[in-house]
Amino acid sequence: NAGVMQNPRHLVRRRGQEARLRCSPMKGHSHVYWYRQLPEEGLKFMVYLQKENIIDESGMPKERFSAEFPKEGPSILRIQQVVRGDSAAYFCASSPQLADNEQFFGPGTRLTVL
Amino acid sequence: KNQVEQSPQSLIILEGKNCTLQCNYTVSPFSNLRWYKQDTGRGPVSLTIMTFSENTKSNGRYTATLDADTKQSSLHITASQLSDSASYICVVIHSGNTGKLIFGQGTTLQVKP
Repeated sequence: NAGVMQNPRHLVRRRGQEARLRCSPMKGHSHVYWYRQLPEEGLKFMVYLQKENIIDESGMPKERFSAEFPKEGPSILRIQQVVRGDSAAYFCASSPQLADNEQFFGPGTRLTVL
Repeated sequence: KNQVEQSPQSLIILEGKNCTLQCNYTVSPFSNLRWYKQDTGRGPVSLTIMTFSENTKSNGRYTATLDADTKQSSLHITASQLSDSASYICVVIHSGNTGKLIFGQGTTLQVKP
């Protein structure tokens, strides 16, 4: 049973471009969470999704950021018109059922905005 | 405001020594508390999970304690190894939230030979 997979592991974008981060949860997990870790800071919650639904997006910046978890395929975190301040590690986690279950983290995507 | 504070921010110890990391939280109501280990360049990996009714939980050389009255937790590492060098993160689950974790800043531990 493969763990949570994220790709790409490293992503470099120039200011103004779009970044797409992908997360494939563990098999059998229907809950996905996205977190952001800025340099020298702790992880911060961004969004919680179930299949085809956004449950809690209270941590998402109001503009340029969006997330989806379609019926088929991975969850996508999309950042439009990236700025230097978006440079961070973005982690995805998944859990099987109830949100209180332990979350398993992926290896992260390190986004660098030039 | 729901917060998780960890101390010390960083710690250097010699291989074979013990150490204790601290976590204070103000999250209420509280569901459970978790300690994660995060190696450089990797995602966090769970070490222990404790509910408010549990005082102590061990996982190999790692022992976590919880005092729900004072809202304090500690992670004790026994007989440290070089592979223990990592960031240790205290995470608290707010019982009113559907899975949203509140993270501490982490303690960076460096074990030297």
